[in-house]
Amino acid sequence: GQNIDQPTEMTATEGAIVQINCTYQTSGFNGLFWYQQHAGEAPTFLSYNVLDGLEEKGRFSSFLSRSKGYSYLLLKELQMKDSASYLCAESQGGKLIFGQGTELSVKP
Amino acid sequence: DAGVTQSPTHLIKTRGQHVTLRCSPISGHKSVSWYQQVLGQGPQFIFQYYEKEERGRGNFPDRFSARQFPNYSSELNVNALLLGDSALYLCASSSGTGAGETQYFGPGTRLLVL
Repeated sequence: GQNIDQPTEMTATEGAIVQINCTYQTSGFNGLFWYQQHAGEAPTFLSYNVLDGLEEKGRFSSFLSRSKGYSYLLLKELQMKDSASYLCAESQGGKLIFGQGTELSVKP
Repeated sequence: DAGVTQSPTHLIKTRGQHVTLRCSPISGHKSVSWYQQVLGQGPQFIFQYYEKEERGRGNFPDRFSARQFPNYSSELNVNALLLGDSALYLCASSSGTGAGETQYFGPGTRLLVL
């Protein structure tokens, strides 16, 4: 199967930390991508994990556990501009299988 | 350097018509992938091309076809349009087709079928 599961919506406060979870099917797994998509715009690349552990990139970090088929995206020091949809995507043979996206709303 | 470009940005068609969408990848990238994104959902894979050859096809009917040209640009064609084809069509380019290759997306073509 190619099920990617992530929450539909999340709300957080400016300056806070938020964690967006993603689970995926482990068969045929070639890596896990996170993209950010603002309304009406194209997805933009945030991170790629293929090995277990945490990858940190500025305010954003991404974690992967291959044995559990689990990843999360951690956003620190939230800003209003972080309000967007966050897409988890599994790489399978070079194509990306996306989840439905998590709509994050950052409130003042 | 220019990113991925797509044309047109918006398009309105009626049922039964056909449409051609165009994509130019990032300079130096040889692979182009096409995705369909319905409102409120994540993108769904349609096709991947590398060096003018189809490398992957998603679960879409034969009404959908694509090709890649010698300059690595690509066209997506959809025949006999249905209302359900209304969506944002995204093109993504990457240097190759390896599993870890980052795909960079263009702004998309928003298609409305009436």
